[in-house]
Amino acid sequence: AQTVTQSQPEMSVQEAETVTLSCTYDTSENNYYLFWYKQPPSRQMILVIRQEAYKQQNATENRFSVNFQKAAKSFSLKISDSQLGDTAMYFCAFILIQGAQKLVFGQGTRLTINP
Amino acid sequence: DVKVTQSSRYLVKRTGEKVFLECVQDMDHENMFWYRQDPGLGLRLIYFSYDVKMKEKGDIPEGYSVSREKKERFSLILESASTNQTSMYLCASRILGTGLYEQYFGPGTRLTVT
Repeated sequence: AQTVTQSQPEMSVQEAETVTLSCTYDTSENNYYLFWYKQPPSRQMILVIRQEAYKQQNATENRFSVNFQKAAKSFSLKISDSQLGDTAMYFCAFILIQGAQKLVFGQGTRLTINP
Repeated sequence: DVKVTQSSRYLVKRTGEKVFLECVQDMDHENMFWYRQDPGLGLRLIYFSYDVKMKEKGDIPEGYSVSREKKERFSLILESASTNQTSMYLCASRILGTGLYEQYFGPGTRLTVT
């Protein structure tokens, strides 16, 4: 079975700092996608960034970028120039391309950006 | 914009009651999902549906059932609510065929069973 582990339950940084959220996963398959989702307080969960396992290049979306290390099964999220609006729960998630295509989530990291 | 709505943001029910949680999506998505979210456990899949009248058990289906009579609506049913079903429930939908696998989430229903 596939598993996703986020080892940092909570993190806190000052506004404008850079922060990195860790995620590791376990699978014996080769074809999959990885995601980071953001859940702001009392608001809907939204997709932050997506990475296809077959792509070596790390995905970036504005201030958000990932460090995808396939051999190490690591998928960290870097937020540059953090803003107050980045305060949220962040979930790492994994999906196999074949089979049931169910999303498997990590435990989440609660990130607080302080003014 | 994809919109996924859930019937209630907050719900309080008594032990033993039958509880219905409704989810509606407006983008003609084939796949729909129900998750429960608990602190320290992330999101866990309860049930999902590939299409109308189709359903598959997720990782924690015990104590729950689902119904999908129309493509846009996916209902989660707690036949006899228990206190250990107090949780946040999230619905999601996904379109097939794009190769992107992104799921769109509703705002969640925080259910308290007393």
